[in-house]
Amino acid sequence: AQSVTQPDIHITVSEGASLELRCNYSYGATPYLFWYVQSPGQGLQLLLKYFSGDTLVQGIKGFEAEFKRSQSSFNLRKPSVHWSDAAEYFCAVGAPGTYKYIFGTGTRLKVLA
Amino acid sequence: DAGVIQSPRHEVTEMGQEVTLRCKPISGHNSLFWYRQTMMRGLELLIYFNNNVPIDDSGMPEDRFSAKMPNASFSTLKIQPSEPRDSAVYFCASSSFEELFFGEGSRLTVL
Repeated sequence: AQSVTQPDIHITVSEGASLELRCNYSYGATPYLFWYVQSPGQGLQLLLKYFSGDTLVQGIKGFEAEFKRSQSSFNLRKPSVHWSDAAEYFCAVGAPGTYKYIFGTGTRLKVLA
Repeated sequence: DAGVIQSPRHEVTEMGQEVTLRCKPISGHNSLFWYRQTMMRGLELLIYFNNNVPIDDSGMPEDRFSAKMPNASFSTLKIQPSEPRDSAVYFCASSSFEELFFGEGSRLTVL
């Protein structure tokens, strides 16, 4: 069965600092991988996705993620965080060709001015 | 594109009352999902529709919950009777090719 783990419940960074949010998954083959962001009182917005090909994926708002098969990871990165990036971030795993998406428990990002 | 539209955004009701949440998916999307988000359990899939047909309702908590999709542009999630433990944010999402588009959610509080 597929599963996804986000080890960090909360992360605090200073504005302008770099950011890395961790995501590990369990799946028998290469899954579809997603990162979503949720601002307070809002729905989830897709930041980026990986289906196949280049393992470094660029997304919106300056985010990128790298798929590492050997580590079963899909970590989200941003070189310089802005105060508006404060939100909750969810990693999700999808089984290709199915409707089943498993979401991680989320990482809440706080940005210090 | 207007995105996925959910109503109401907030609902406060008393235990035992019927609650109906509504969703309008993105035009052209053939898949629709209802999720529930709570602090304790995170984001849980309640039911999945494909081409207006319920495919998987194994996540529906119990018989008090029901969902319908009478046409491609409208779905409802009904709770009858509601209980305090149903308090949560309910999200509708639609998709066409693997990517989910979420509505802004309906925050339900059952007193």
